[in-house]
Amino acid sequence: AQTVTQSQPEMSVQEAETVTLSCTYDTSESNYYLFWYKQPPSRQMILVIRQEAYKQQNATENRFSVNFQKAAKSFSLKISDSQLGDTAMYFCAHYSGGSNYKLTFGKGTLLTVNP
Amino acid sequence: NAGVTQTPKFQVLKTGQSMTLQCAQDMNHEYMSWYRQDPGMGLRLIHYSVGAGITDQGEVPNGYNVSRSTTEDFPLRLLSAAPSQTSVYFCASSYSVRGHNEQFFGPGTRLTVL
Repeated sequence: AQTVTQSQPEMSVQEAETVTLSCTYDTSESNYYLFWYKQPPSRQMILVIRQEAYKQQNATENRFSVNFQKAAKSFSLKISDSQLGDTAMYFCAHYSGGSNYKLTFGKGTLLTVNP
Repeated sequence: NAGVTQTPKFQVLKTGQSMTLQCAQDMNHEYMSWYRQDPGMGLRLIHYSVGAGITDQGEVPNGYNVSRSTTEDFPLRLLSAAPSQTSVYFCASSYSVRGHNEQFFGPGTRLTVL
């Protein structure tokens, strides 16, 4: 079974600085997908960024980028130029590309951006 | 498009009562799923469906039933509510299970069981 581990329950960063959120996962699949979701206080789940395991290039979306280390099964999220609106719970998630149609989430990291 | 809608937004039940959480999507998505979110636990998959008439269990299915008679709707039934089912419930959908597209989430239902 897939597992996703986020070892940092809470983090804080000053506005305009850079922060990295950690995520490790365990899977026996060779083809899979990884995601970071953001959940602000509104409770709405928002996709931040996605990575396909067979792509070696790290995904980027504006200020958000990932460091995908497939051999180490690590998938960290870097937020550059942090903004107050980035304050949220961030969830790392894994999806298997096989017949196991399940998205497995980590327990989340609460990020607070301070002015 | 309304996206993924859930009703109700809030609900209070007494132990032993039954109820149905409604979920609908208007994007013609193949895949739909239900999650529960508890503090410190992330989101855990309850049940999912890969198409009309096809459902399967997720990580925490006990005490819940689902059915998928249409592409659009995927209701979650609590058979006999228990305090342990106090949680926030999210419904999600995505276009296809192949290659996995983005999952779109509903706004959630906060359920309290007394």
